[in-house]
Amino acid sequence: SAVISQKPSRDICQRGTSLTIQCQVDSQVTMMFWYRQQPGQSLTLIATANQGSEATYESGFVIDKFPISRPNLTFSTLTVSNMSPEDSSIYLCSVTQIAYSGNTIYFGEGSWLTVV
Amino acid sequence: GNSVTQMEGPVTLSEEAFLTINCTYTATGYPSLFWYVQYPGEGLQLLLKATKADDKGSNKGFEATYRKETTSFHLEKGSVQVSDSAVYFCALFSGGSNYKLTFGKGTLLTVNP
Repeated sequence: SAVISQKPSRDICQRGTSLTIQCQVDSQVTMMFWYRQQPGQSLTLIATANQGSEATYESGFVIDKFPISRPNLTFSTLTVSNMSPEDSSIYLCSVTQIAYSGNTIYFGEGSWLTVV
Repeated sequence: GNSVTQMEGPVTLSEEAFLTINCTYTATGYPSLFWYVQYPGEGLQLLLKATKADDKGSNKGFEATYRKETTSFHLEKGSVQVSDSAVYFCALFSGGSNYKLTFGKGTLLTVNP
């Protein structure tokens, strides 16, 4: 299994500011992802965090708004830039462990952001 | 592309009732199927999974069987408890999707004493 630590767990942010969320995994993993869960909604994939190169963004998400870093196989950051109340969401880091016995996807506890 | 259709909620049951939450999917290739649970105010937890046809995933009294012929992965529990109150998400991924998860919309379950 993989244990994922996310920081911060919760924050209240001012409109127009930026916040960086950190994701630390206790083992080396190939695949890391960032998801967003808006209030009362399901999860939507923001991007795939690629080690040593630019992230791969899903439709509707752009690097200027959600810059992502992944310097190594156990760590990634997501920045939510120039925040507005619409960015109030849970942001979740996810990793995939690929194994012959079957692939499993794990999630961090999430970072609960409220923008005021 | 991949998609997951989940039973609309909310679902309200009495303690010890039988639970079924329906989940059907469309996918390319041979997907892996998951149920995740989100308790109030908490993050997402993996509940169970199945990686190939006819596999049965089980955990904490919950079960789901991967049915390729009906493209379904329905979640069941024989006797629910108040502590099972949560939002349940059906999800899938396949290698062809670069291991990205596709989620259903979630089903809110409330169990009353």
